[in-house]
Amino acid sequence: DAGVIQSPRHEVTEMGQEVTLRCKPISGHDYLFWYRQTMMRGLELLIYFNNNVPIDDSGMPEDRFSAKMPNASFSTLKIQPSEPRDSAVYFCASSAQGDPYNEQFFGPGTRLTVL
Amino acid sequence: AQSVSQHNHHVILSEAASLELGCNYSYGGTVNLFWYVQYPGQHLQLLLKYFSGDPLVKGIKGFEAEFIKSKFSFNLRKPSVQWSDTAEYFCAVNAGTNAGKSTFGDGTTLTVKP
Repeated sequence: DAGVIQSPRHEVTEMGQEVTLRCKPISGHDYLFWYRQTMMRGLELLIYFNNNVPIDDSGMPEDRFSAKMPNASFSTLKIQPSEPRDSAVYFCASSAQGDPYNEQFFGPGTRLTVL
Repeated sequence: AQSVSQHNHHVILSEAASLELGCNYSYGGTVNLFWYVQYPGQHLQLLLKYFSGDPLVKGIKGFEAEFIKSKFSFNLRKPSVQWSDTAEYFCAVNAGTNAGKSTFGDGTTLTVKP
């Protein structure tokens, strides 16, 4: 398996623009997680899905952020409008229900810079 | 709710020194425990995990961790660190009820001086 795939790997945009981050989880995994990592705040869980349904979005910073999972193999995290303080590395991770460990597999991340 | 506490924010060691990173969690039930490592510029990767059985878990690259249930701890150890171990280390706990979500600690940055 190719692992968790994220695109783009790097994104540079200007304040006010819409940004869409994409994630393809490992095939067969039932859980999908979106994290944000910054020097100031460390690793933060933004939202996670189980079987394509959002379970907990309490970590989403504000209404500018939205996430969807239209099917089991694809998820998006959208920021509209983007702000400089959104600059961070965004990781997607997936795990398999029924795996006794519930180990999460992380993607390579998208480094977002908002100017 | 689960929580994870990593005692050390930044640890600096010389090569060949021994390492112990503390991790305590709060959750009363059965847990799965993890240590993840994040090398500079890379994503988090699993170092080792505990589900049940022998509380001393051996992972990759010579790392091990010991689960002490009475202390709610899962400390990471390595007898002799290398420069290549420079990374950030995250402890995580997952309620052993197939809840899916793991709670991560704030991470410990390890710098190994050559």
